[in-house]
Amino acid sequence: KAGVTQTPRYLIKTRGQQVTLSCSPISGHRSVSWYQQTPGQGLQFLFEYFSETQRNKGNFPGRFSGRQFSNSRSEMNVSTLELGDSALYLCASSLDRELYEQYFGPGTRLTVT
Amino acid sequence: AQKVTQAQTEISVVEKEDVTLDCVYETRDTTYYLFWYKQPPSGELVFLIRRNSFDEQNEISGRYSWNFQKSTSSFNFTITASQVVDSAVYFCALSEAFGGGSNYKLTFGKGTLLTVNP
Repeated sequence: KAGVTQTPRYLIKTRGQQVTLSCSPISGHRSVSWYQQTPGQGLQFLFEYFSETQRNKGNFPGRFSGRQFSNSRSEMNVSTLELGDSALYLCASSLDRELYEQYFGPGTRLTVT
Repeated sequence: AQKVTQAQTEISVVEKEDVTLDCVYETRDTTYYLFWYKQPPSGELVFLIRRNSFDEQNEISGRYSWNFQKSTSSFNFTITASQVVDSAVYFCALSEAFGGGSNYKLTFGKGTLLTVNP
């Protein structure tokens, strides 16, 4: 069974631009969560989608948004990039609502210059 | 609000030593789940274990063991006879229900960098 895939793996953007990251969950998984990982703040929860609905959202500004498609694939978008948005963005998928076990993708390394 | 504390930022041991990674959590819920994840240098988080709040039995899986104590709100992880391949960042995480019990979110500790030297 294929694992969680994320594209692209690496991205370099300029301040003020916007970026879209993609995540394909494990087949059959309906929950997709996004996390931001930085050396200073650690792993922080961004949002979670289940059956195309955003169920939970972390404490991030409105520049961070996401969506989930009917095939459970998810995208997250960051608009008006800031230097502080440089991070590893991790996507995780889970079979059920209770997030019993989340399986993580390899992440997208975003660098904002 | 839920909180996970991993007081050990970095630990360095020599191969074959036993090492324990500490995790202390805070939650108001009676129903919650605790997790450990491993993040090797490649970056991908690897699921190690999940424990629910009603199951305080310790668990052993090969060289790994976990000690869950609700009385002290701790969920410690021990690696026996450590190996170089165990070198990674280890995260403890807590998932609890909110919003009427239908939504869950995962809160991670800051992680412990374990270096196992040959």
